[in-house]
Amino acid sequence: NAGVTQTPKFRILKIGQSMTLQCTQDMNHNYMYWYRQDPGMGLKLIYYSVGAGITDKGEVPNGYNVSRSTTEDFPLRLELAAPSQTSVYFCASREFNQPQHFGDGTRLSIL
Amino acid sequence: GQQVMQIPQYQHVQEGEDFTTYCNSSTTLSNIQWYKQRPGGHPVFLIQLVKSGEVKKQKRLTFQFGEAKKNSSLHITATQTTDVGTYFCAGVANSGGSNYKLTFGKGTLLTVNP
Repeated sequence: NAGVTQTPKFRILKIGQSMTLQCTQDMNHNYMYWYRQDPGMGLKLIYYSVGAGITDKGEVPNGYNVSRSTTEDFPLRLELAAPSQTSVYFCASREFNQPQHFGDGTRLSIL
Repeated sequence: GQQVMQIPQYQHVQEGEDFTTYCNSSTTLSNIQWYKQRPGGHPVFLIQLVKSGEVKKQKRLTFQFGEAKKNSSLHITATQTTDVGTYFCAGVANSGGSNYKLTFGKGTLLTVNP
């Protein structure tokens, strides 16, 4: 039982490049989330999903896109990378009123 | 929208001293959860409080949920160097579609001097 798996763990992008951060969970959780955490700061919600085929914007969605074609997978897409998107990205999943399980994070630098 | 304020932002203590962090929500919560994040790590679930006035203990950690279900606290007795990290509270709103999301406080970074 791996929990929440994020890939890659580290990535350096050039300004304007695009990439997809992968997130998979094997706990059959309906709810999945993407957060970003800037150095010394809290967690900001980017997008979330309450089930396959359903996604919604969080607090800071601009510059990102998501899809949820299966219960297990919730990839996060950056289309035109900007320096302001340098951050640590955490994916998480949970069931209703249950604890949230986080992945190990993806450390992304945009230069 | 719902806001969760957490104080203090930072706390430095000598090993053996006590530590408390406080959370206050702008709206009534269905439940509140606490997480710990070690430096370089990811947040890890500690506990969930659901009932008004609830108090739960985990060894040296004591968690409280206010009577109005809008505030909460985490108290650590006799801190140890292993307690170092950032402690986050996260509230679930008590109404409608908002209960899909946890609203995280900004966290309290605890450092412990041995």
